Amino acid sequence: DTGVSQDPRHKITKRGQNVTFRCDPISEHNRLYWYRQTLGQGPEFLTYFQNEAQLEKSRLLSDRFSAERPKGSFSTLEIQRTEQGDSAMYLCASSSRTSGRARELFFGEGSRLTVL
Amino acid sequence: DQQVKQNSPSLSVQEGRISILNCDYTNSMFDYFLWYKKYPAEGPTFLISISSIKDKNEDGRFTVFLNKSAKHLSLHIVPSQPGDSAVYFCAASAPSNAGGTSYGKLTFGQGTILTVHP
Repeated sequence: DTGVSQDPRHKITKRGQNVTFRCDPISEHNRLYWYRQTLGQGPEFLTYFQNEAQLEKSRLLSDRFSAERPKGSFSTLEIQRTEQGDSAMYLCASSSRTSGRARELFFGEGSRLTVL
Repeated sequence: DQQVKQNSPSLSVQEGRISILNCDYTNSMFDYFLWYKKYPAEGPTFLISISSIKDKNEDGRFTVFLNKSAKHLSLHIVPSQPGDSAVYFCAASAPSNAGGTSYGKLTFGQGTILTVHP
């Protein structure tokens, strides 16, 4: 399977704990995005990487959130001191700037976070 | 500020008939529009897109229409099949800024749940 892979698929944690999600994009894609989706809403943009550089962050990404893409391949999204409001589906997507369809994002299956 | 709106939370259609899903937007800077389909416990899957230089794009059973003056787009599925039952999201993208950083910053609508009955 050469699609976008996310791990874990589901994480249940207690308020105040730290969690980390991993995303492996499609191998030839140099652009990687994180989105968050809550119940009844569409995905909301969180942050964007081109290769290893984080080029844009949403206001939704508070100081407790940090994302990295150290070698321009996989990415991690860490949430520190989780709050119940962080409960959501965290979606990773990738795209290729060099393709003629650079604006079409390929999404992973998501990592669902439940904060108790 | 909801820049992309899907005002119908749900739509129910009989198999073989046409499904029409609607989407409105407010940001005049949007120049590329996409439809995604999402099954439960899966990520969104790209369906079809349209550039603002066009008013129609067709791919098999799926056609997207864009009315720029009304800031409205619609997705037509003909004929509808039970396997089309899913949540459909409309998304919009503005032109890239310097360095191409804005391309993937899609703004999504709230989604419409489509149910196609056999």
